[in-house]
Amino acid sequence: DSGVTQTPKHLITATGQRVTLRCSPRSGDLSVYWYQQSLDQGLQFLIQYYNGEERAKGNILERFSAQQFPDLHSELNLSSLELGDSALYFCASSVVPAPSSGELFFGEGSRLTVL
Amino acid sequence: AQSVAQPEDQVNVAEGNPLTVKCTYSVSGNPYLFWYVQYPNRGLQFLLKYITGDNLVKGSYGFEAEFNKSQTSFHLKKPSALVSDSALYFCAVRDGGYNKLIFGAGTRLAVHP
Repeated sequence: DSGVTQTPKHLITATGQRVTLRCSPRSGDLSVYWYQQSLDQGLQFLIQYYNGEERAKGNILERFSAQQFPDLHSELNLSSLELGDSALYFCASSVVPAPSSGELFFGEGSRLTVL
Repeated sequence: AQSVAQPEDQVNVAEGNPLTVKCTYSVSGNPYLFWYVQYPNRGLQFLLKYITGDNLVKGSYGFEAEFNKSQTSFHLKKPSALVSDSALYFCAVRDGGYNKLIFGAGTRLAVHP
């Protein structure tokens, strides 16, 4: 158990809908990362937050947004869903800044299926 | 931009034989390199990392990795494979000062009895 909790584990929805994925980081970790894993794109970095502020942005679509709340949990919002958004969405957390570390702790993911 | 490449989609090895999963990197500056493993229906688990120091890094579950600067490689190795090692393995490089990791495409390791 990594200590990172993601909900829901599975989600099935229809095209055009909106969903919210939730992540609780490990106790004490200030940074949260979102990744998307799909068969054709591999593991893609979406966005990173550190102590409530956005720190890095990757290949995140404009239809997607995220935030990190004062209690450090994070939510990833996916809207106007398309079939191609079907994927496994991972949240990870880490202690930063930690120049000599860099290890990320991953949750078990939220599997999104868009029909 | 930092990147890693895993040239093999799948590696097959017999139980008890040594295994190698390959990774090459492209970075500006000193590389911070990682290996993660993903078992079916699970999240990624950290195996080992290279930050600085010895070129041979030891990690979890008997795995080790060899950092080779001249060949820009960071291959994952294990002297004797187990069937339970069968999983998806990812090489990654740190990009920036806030620990964002860029992952390779992954290599599926299949260990046969």
